[in-house]
Amino acid sequence: QKEVEQNSGPLSVPEGAIASLNCTYSDRGSQSFFWYRQYSGKSPELIMFIYSNGDKEDGRFTAQLNKASQYVSLLIRDSQPSDSATYLCAAGWDSGAGSYQLTFGKGTKLSVIP
Amino acid sequence: EAGVAQSPRYKIIEKRQSVAFWCNPISGHATLYWYQQILGQGPKLLIQFQNNGVVDDSQLPKDRFSAERLKGVDSTLKIQPAKLEDSAVYLCASSLGRTAGTGELFFGEGSRLTVL
Repeated sequence: QKEVEQNSGPLSVPEGAIASLNCTYSDRGSQSFFWYRQYSGKSPELIMFIYSNGDKEDGRFTAQLNKASQYVSLLIRDSQPSDSATYLCAAGWDSGAGSYQLTFGKGTKLSVIP
Repeated sequence: EAGVAQSPRYKIIEKRQSVAFWCNPISGHATLYWYQQILGQGPKLLIQFQNNGVVDDSQLPKDRFSAERLKGVDSTLKIQPAKLEDSAVYLCASSLGRTAGTGELFFGEGSRLTVL
């Protein structure tokens, strides 16, 4: 059973601070990792994906992957109130025929306090 | 480029009634997924199609749920008879697939089901 674990929060950070979101995954065969943002009542939208160990930066967002520890994190620098949302971590693997399957965690709710 | 289209956006039914949801993926996306998202939880995969074939339906409650993607494009998810615990948002997603893209899933707006 492939599982992705996240702290459900809520995580509250002041505006301008760094928000740190974490998740762990159970299947060592997972090949790719995704962070989705989901505003209340909306569908998930991709923020970042990462395949290789180490850090990947995109603007204010940095994803970190440690396959040995089966650990993925997302750092949000200079947090803004508009970043307040639920962040979903997902692990993906090749499900055959060239397609991917993603397992999602329950999500961490982030609140950025002005 | 048009995104993933879903309908209806909202549906309220009584328990034991039936309901159907429709999804049209992004043009050219071979892989289509149906996820169930219960309030406060992450999306849970119900079924995955590659073109018009089923890749994985291991978590689909087959006694009441069915899904099809007859021509390898749009898809329908049906629930019959519905139970109270089926109240959720049903998310359709599509993907280019691993070899053609990043494996990223693109989600539709979802269909919110309330079972009374």
